[in-house]
Amino acid sequence: QSALTQPASVSGSPGQSITISCTGTSSDVGSYNYVSWYQQHPGKAPQLMIYDVSNRPSGVSNRFSGSKSGNTASLTISGLQAEDEADYYCGSYTSSSTHVFGGGTKLTVL
Amino acid sequence: EVQLVESGGGLVQPGGSLRLSCAASGFSFSTYWMSWVRQAPGKGLEWVANIKEDGSEKYYVDSVKGRFTISRDNAKNSLYLQMNSLRAEDTAVYYCARGVLRYFDWGQGTLVIVSS
Repeated sequence: QSALTQPASVSGSPGQSITISCTGTSSDVGSYNYVSWYQQHPGKAPQLMIYDVSNRPSGVSNRFSGSKSGNTASLTISGLQAEDEADYYCGSYTSSSTHVFGGGTKLTVL
Repeated sequence: EVQLVESGGGLVQPGGSLRLSCAASGFSFSTYWMSWVRQAPGKGLEWVANIKEDGSEKYYVDSVKGRFTISRDNAKNSLYLQMNSLRAEDTAVYYCARGVLRYFDWGQGTLVIVSS
């Protein structure tokens, strides 16, 4: 039950695009298309931004997109905006019927 | 509108017990897996446990096995987490979340502090 691997921090200027990677194993990310991404602002509960690798819940901006290749999933945010500054976590269902999250990535909008 | 409202958090001494509750509304509770996720102060999310719709299957993160028990009462639309033998490292905000494959809905969290 090791956490998925994410970069600790990423940054970008308004209008730019950034990508956050999430690396797991063949027991989680690599085996299932049940990778999700969550945005969390300080003091708030997480909010689902992407589910099942690349699907956006209703109400989430189409500036957010997801993809997966092998054991690594990615979240891309295009047209960065100040309100995108937050912590981002990936999560995946696992072969043990459990769930595992990444360590989190702090996004700074310069 | 889906609502998940946690309660039961507080300050407890190491070795003590606490029971968290999550009151669900706005959806058919008995038809969804439910989960608990925690977040230690300044740290990332950690999945804790999940439970099948009818309570027949339960899974836990290794660090809480044998100490925590997840349960549910579908008649009361409620999810529970019984936490025994609490340790300092269990200090966290505990969230209940709807689902097992992905979490569309989260509660606001309840803070558990384990300290003497």
